[in-house]
Amino acid sequence: AQTVTQSQPEMSVQEAETVTLSCTYDTSESDYYLFWYKQPPSRQMILVIRQEAYKQQNATENRFSVNFQKAAKSFSLKISDSQLGDAAMYFCAYRSPNAGKSTFGDGTTLTVKP
Amino acid sequence: DTGVSQDPRHKITKRGQNVTFRCDPISEHNRLYWYRQTLGQGPEFLTYFQNEAQLEKSRLLSDRFSAERPKGSFSTLEIQRTEQGDSAMYLCASSLIEPNYGYTFGSGTRLTVV
Repeated sequence: AQTVTQSQPEMSVQEAETVTLSCTYDTSESDYYLFWYKQPPSRQMILVIRQEAYKQQNATENRFSVNFQKAAKSFSLKISDSQLGDAAMYFCAYRSPNAGKSTFGDGTTLTVKP
Repeated sequence: DTGVSQDPRHKITKRGQNVTFRCDPISEHNRLYWYRQTLGQGPEFLTYFQNEAQLEKSRLLSDRFSAERPKGSFSTLEIQRTEQGDSAMYLCASSLIEPNYGYTFGSGTRLTVV
């Protein structure tokens, strides 16, 4: 079974600075999909960014980008120019192409300091 | 489209009582998922449907839990004879079949068993 590990329970960043959240996963599959989700306090979880394992190019969505290292089974999220609205819990998730479900890490709580 | 709706938002029940939650997914999405989230943890998979068929159910899920998705539209999750350990946030999500398509989550139903 796949496992997803987020080793940083809490992170903080100064507004306008850059922060990187870590995620590692364990799998024997060669094809899979990785996601980062954001869960603001008392609000619903939303998709931030996705990465297909067969793509070498790292995904980017505006201020959010990933560093996908397939051999190391690492999938970190970089947030540039951090904003107060980025404060949330961030979850890394793994999805097999043949499975409907996703496996989530335990999350990293990001605090943005003004 | 109004997104994924969950009802109720909060439920307080006495131990031993039965509770039922409802989820209305995005109408174009043929997959519907139920996850459970406890404080400080990532979402834990419970079950998912593709249209009206329940394709997978977590082995961690006891027989007290049952889910339905009649006619492939809304879904209900019932917990019978609730226990204090059932206290959690129950999240519903929907998606398309394609594995690179992320989830759209609802706001969740927070269950407190007293």
